[in-house]
Amino acid sequence: GAGVSQSPSNKVTEKGKDVELRCDPISGHTALYWYRQRLGQGLEFLIYFQGNSAPDKSGLPSDRFSAERTGESVSTLTIQRTQQEDSAVYLCASSWGLAQNGELFFGEGSRLTVL
Amino acid sequence: GNSVTQMEGPVTLSEEAFLTINCTYTATGYPSLFWYVQYPGEGLQLLLKATKADDKGSNKGFEATYRKETTSFHLEKGSVQVSDSAVYFCALSEWDNNDMRFGAGTRLTVKP
Repeated sequence: GAGVSQSPSNKVTEKGKDVELRCDPISGHTALYWYRQRLGQGLEFLIYFQGNSAPDKSGLPSDRFSAERTGESVSTLTIQRTQQEDSAVYLCASSWGLAQNGELFFGEGSRLTVL
Repeated sequence: GNSVTQMEGPVTLSEEAFLTINCTYTATGYPSLFWYVQYPGEGLQLLLKATKADDKGSNKGFEATYRKETTSFHLEKGSVQVSDSAVYFCALSEWDNNDMRFGAGTRLTVKP
């Protein structure tokens, strides 16, 4: 497709279960970002991938969160042993290069609800 | 650390009214500044940007000027339309890190 694709669009899970969220970036984009948006709050940076470099994991809130990306393709964000405070919209974005250059292309997000 | 603060919403205006959404930032260096917009049912998209002090970003009738002296990047439009109804996010990014910092977003509703 032409844009960033995320799946699932909605996920309801029970506390303690693991969830996996998927992001398909725009073809050719070397940079990929994950953000979290809690209700009524701004976007919280989670993790950044740039090509084959080591990812910037500085925004991951706990060791229950992890993300992988193979090369410049699909990324998955995994949340283990989900908690109610993990409920949020998880947004993925991709770009040609560094954020300073401006244009991140966002997917529509995956809404996670932890009961 | 770096952060962005934008005016709380929601903002409701009549068509053709003047719009200002305030944004101020805190940064240790010289960030680039952005406004992103999220229309209903769509992902965030870049609206405009400015990369250095006194630069003015503009797009679709919206403008914002990078003011280093007041650490601000307020979004303005002279005459809003119903189609401008969306959530607007102010953001910054610095040269020495990889993340884009976003404000909380301001929901704008324009009534005919």
